[in-house]
Amino acid sequence: DTEVTQTPKHLVMGMTNKKSLKCEQHMGHRAMYWYKQKAKKPPELMFVYSYEKLSINESVPSRFSPECPNSSLLNLHLHALQPEDSALYLCASSKGTGGDTEAFFGQGTRLTVV
Amino acid sequence: DQQVKQNSPSLSVQEGRISILNCDYTNSMFDYFLWYKKYPAEGPTFLISISSIKDKNEDGRFTVFLNKSAKHLSLHIVPSQPGDSAVYFCAASADYGQNFVFGPGTRLSVLP
Repeated sequence: DTEVTQTPKHLVMGMTNKKSLKCEQHMGHRAMYWYKQKAKKPPELMFVYSYEKLSINESVPSRFSPECPNSSLLNLHLHALQPEDSALYLCASSKGTGGDTEAFFGQGTRLTVV
Repeated sequence: DQQVKQNSPSLSVQEGRISILNCDYTNSMFDYFLWYKKYPAEGPTFLISISSIKDKNEDGRFTVFLNKSAKHLSLHIVPSQPGDSAVYFCAASADYGQNFVFGPGTRLSVLP
């Protein structure tokens, strides 16, 4: 199983809503990532979790709150988002430590903030 | 300042010919490089990688070349097929693959 599964695939939310994006992998990977991708731009790193601990936060606003409840799951909690936060949110995972490793990406959640 | 550059935003190639996508980087600490392919409305999918201890890695129709002294890598697709039409991202890592920096992407169009 080399899949990274993201749910939901599409999400429309109002600016006052609270929602969560979910990401799951069963490859035994210990590093998991959230990326944000705007149209016609490359994915931009938001957060990195390593061994369930937040290791990198790329100056992301606090209305985005990541959570890694266990080594297979990664959540992104959303609250009070702005329309400019509408984008494709990608989750990825990799083995995480030591040696060469590639990241496997999920299909993304397309988020629209209205 | 972009650490990973893909200076050609788009490329058109005839079916059956070779596609060459280029990537330049500035950070000499990068030691692992990847190419991703992205179709519209999908997440990027991993294509091929190369470690800085190698200068070439081949996988079927895809070959990646790394020139460390020039801080340059390229992806060759031979022969190109219409299904290869997508955006190709170059990505680099300096920390055992924990953090990837992506280039802006090159849109490849393979014409039948």
